[in-house]
Amino acid sequence: QVQLVQSGSELKKPGASVKVSCKASGYTFTNYAMNWMRQAPGQRPDWMGWIATNTGNPTYAQGFTGRFVFSLDTSVSTAYLQISSLKAEDSAVYYCARYSESHGMDVWGQGTTVTVSS
Amino acid sequence: SYELTQPPSVSVSPGQTARITCSGDALPKQYGYWYQQKPGQAPVMVIYKDNKRPSGIPERFSGSISGTTVTLTLSGVQAEDEADYYCQSADNNDTWVFGGGTKLTVL
Repeated sequence: QVQLVQSGSELKKPGASVKVSCKASGYTFTNYAMNWMRQAPGQRPDWMGWIATNTGNPTYAQGFTGRFVFSLDTSVSTAYLQISSLKAEDSAVYYCARYSESHGMDVWGQGTTVTVSS
Repeated sequence: SYELTQPPSVSVSPGQTARITCSGDALPKQYGYWYQQKPGQAPVMVIYKDNKRPSGIPERFSGSISGTTVTLTLSGVQAEDEADYYCQSADNNDTWVFGGGTKLTVL
């Protein structure tokens, strides 16, 4: 079945980096773009941007430039989100979601909790 | 910045009909999407492109649009439908935006 499986929870100190993975299965990885969202506790999801899985070209939403990097390893159908210089306000659940013009963001990963604390 | 406006909460008794609205100026030009999110779980798409239902979503979930408002309708609400519901759409610069969310309470 179609699914996105994300890496496990992370506890990091301020200033450190984290890399979240999102492994796709059950469909052709390069046929769907991959989006990333951040959801702070009790808040709406915020769209962080997306990466074209056929070209590797990333697009970052306002507020998610500089410290945030989207990347791919198409050989293992996996997308990555790396966040550097972590701050306490980066503590949130991060989701990946595949996207197509025909069906939108129809499949989401289970989420990865990133906690930034000294 | 572009905003989608939802009511914070909606309450309904089991078997009744719940309607959750989402207003945004660009909705006549951009599709609306709806997600259900239960505590500790990822969002699940329940409506795409204003009024289409993904496979596996019960028929009691439906969507509609009128002017600048999209509406999610749950007919014959069940206890399991209690969740947060978020609308999503794009602004005119293809930036995705989520509404503030509506907590559906089944009395």
